[in-house]
Parts: sequence; structure tokens; C-alpha cells
Amino acid sequence: NAGVTQTPKFRILKIGQSMTLQCTQDMNHNYMYWYRQDPGMGLKLIYYSVGAGITDKGEVPNGYNVSRSTTEDFPLRLELAAPSQTSVYFCASSSSRRGKETQYFGPGTRLLVL
Amino acid sequence: AQTVTQSQPEMSVQEAETVTLSCTYDTSENNYYLFWYKQPPSRQMILVIRQEAYKQQNATENRFSVNFQKAAKSFSLKISDSQLGDTAMYFCAFKTEAQKLVFGQGTRLTINP
Repeated sequence: NAGVTQTPKFRILKIGQSMTLQCTQDMNHNYMYWYRQDPGMGLKLIYYSVGAGITDKGEVPNGYNVSRSTTEDFPLRLELAAPSQTSVYFCASSSSRRGKETQYFGPGTRLLVL
Repeated sequence: AQTVTQSQPEMSVQEAETVTLSCTYDTSENNYYLFWYKQPPSRQMILVIRQEAYKQQNATENRFSVNFQKAAKSFSLKISDSQLGDTAMYFCAFKTEAQKLVFGQGTRLTINP
């Protein structure tokens, strides 16, 4: 049981490039989330999904897109990368069952846009 | 909108001492969950403790306990017999009925030998 895995661990992008951050969970969780963490700050929600085929915006969705074609995978797409997207990105998942709502986090992806 | 406030940007204590981290939140919801997460230098987010709002009893996990005051919207974390491995950023988080987590800005805790 690997939990939540993210790839890559670190990436440098040039302004205007695109990339996809991968996230996979093996806990059969319905809910999945993407957060970003800027230096010295807490996490802010980018997008989330309550199940395959269903996604919704969080607090800071501009410049990002997501899809959820399977229960396990929730990739985050950056189009036209900008320096403001330099951050650490965390994927998380949680169960929809009452009493099991704790979110479990992946190890993070550090992104640098130059 | 829900907000979470951690008023102590940094704290420092000696090993074996007890330390309390403060957290207040603002919400109009009645059913929610509160969490404390620990983030060591590895950046991994690690769940420390959770509290269901409908439970009056304060949650405890070994050396970690909370003081949950629902009317005051306060959720402080107490770490007893602090250890060097407790050095980390600590984030208070509130889970909305829409299943979203709202985080505070964090408290950097340093345990000195």
C-alpha cells in the first residue's frame, strides 16, 4: 500500500512551457485534491474531485486544469507556466465514509518556473 | 468564507518541556472536522491529530492533545514531553462540509536540546 504518490519530485520549467503533475492513490479514495504551498505559507486548494468524472475549482484554480478519468489518478495540468506558479504542489486523497475523512498527502512536487 | 488563524509564527522550547500551539477558526457550519498536521523539513504532511466538532471530548494521541472550545472557535495543540523530532512546521486545518481543507499559515516549532 503506497498511499499517495506524486511524480516528478522536482521540475524546472521555462516561462510559457506546459507540464502535467501526476498523482496516484491506491486506497480506493473517492476524494482527491491538489494544493499549492508557497514559501512560508499554508496550503491553498487548487482543484478537487469527489469521484471519477467530477472535478471542481478550489481557491486558486487559475492557470491549472485537472481531469479524473479513474478513481486512482488525478493529474494536474499547467498550461503556459508563469513565475507565479513556482511553488510546492501536494496531492491528497480521502475517503467519503463518515469517520474516515482524514486527508492523506503525497510527498509533493517542487516546481520552479524561470 | 471559512478562515483559520494561527497567531504564533514561531515558537521555541527546550526538550522535554510542554508547548501549546494556538489556532482559531471562523465558520458558520455546525458539522466539521479540525486537524493538526506536522510538516518536517522533508515537506511531507503528516497528520498529528483530528477532532470532530460534534464530539465534546478532546482528542488525544500519545503526547499530543487538543483543547477544543467550540463556542470560542478555538483549537489549540498541546505537545507534552517535547522531543527533538517534534521540530517542524505545524498547520491547523478546518474541513468544510464540502470536504475542502482550509489551512492556517502555520507555526514553526523548534525544540532545543
